[in-house]
Amino acid sequence: GQQLNQSPQSMFIQEGEDVSMNCTSSSIFNTWLWYKQDPGEGPVLLIALYKAGELTSNGRLTAQFGITRKDSFLNISASIPSDVGIYFCAGVSGTYKYIFGTGTRLKVLA
Amino acid sequence: NAGVTQTPKFQVLKTGQSMTLQCAQDMNHEYMSWYRQDPGMGLRLIHYSVGAGITDQGEVPNGYNVSRSTTEDFPLRLLSAAPSQTSVYFCASSYISHAGGVNEQFFGPGTRLTVL
Repeated sequence: GQQLNQSPQSMFIQEGEDVSMNCTSSSIFNTWLWYKQDPGEGPVLLIALYKAGELTSNGRLTAQFGITRKDSFLNISASIPSDVGIYFCAGVSGTYKYIFGTGTRLKVLA
Repeated sequence: NAGVTQTPKFQVLKTGQSMTLQCAQDMNHEYMSWYRQDPGMGLRLIHYSVGAGITDQGEVPNGYNVSRSTTEDFPLRLLSAAPSQTSVYFCASSYISHAGGVNEQFFGPGTRLTVL
């Protein structure tokens, strides 16, 4: 089945550093979403993007919907230890089907 | 609101056994879905429903059945469990927008299933 290419797969960063991750696809999506999953929990929505070129912020998080509608990126500024977790992108086509990325595992070193 | 609830939280089955994973939501969402999450694979869609009485297959439907008799409930049935079905299963729900698409999905806490 189709999955989105998400990179990097994992990253270790120092507390206070900025983080960037992205998601690419060969298909066009109408909606891009970014989720965070903590260990033993279900994913929780961080940011939703509905329009090509859209740039949206949620606190220290900023995400963009790529102009081509085939990619999206997520930035986290001034990382803190509680940012640790797995970040997933998801694309939604017009057919009610979410396609998820393989995840970026983030570890923050205090 | 309890949001999306799933039971059981953990389950161990023997090969060939059947069981039903329960999922319920109290947000009056039309759209409900089931995913499985395997290490390094992200979440893969098993089945989904856009309303009571309507279900459709996702990308990995084999070995699983679903039904949607009410808006609130969307159980997932394993007819004859296999070791390949060892995974973490997540249920999720969402509104369907006026434009006909789904937006933010809210996920349950997951069911961790082991098939021996």
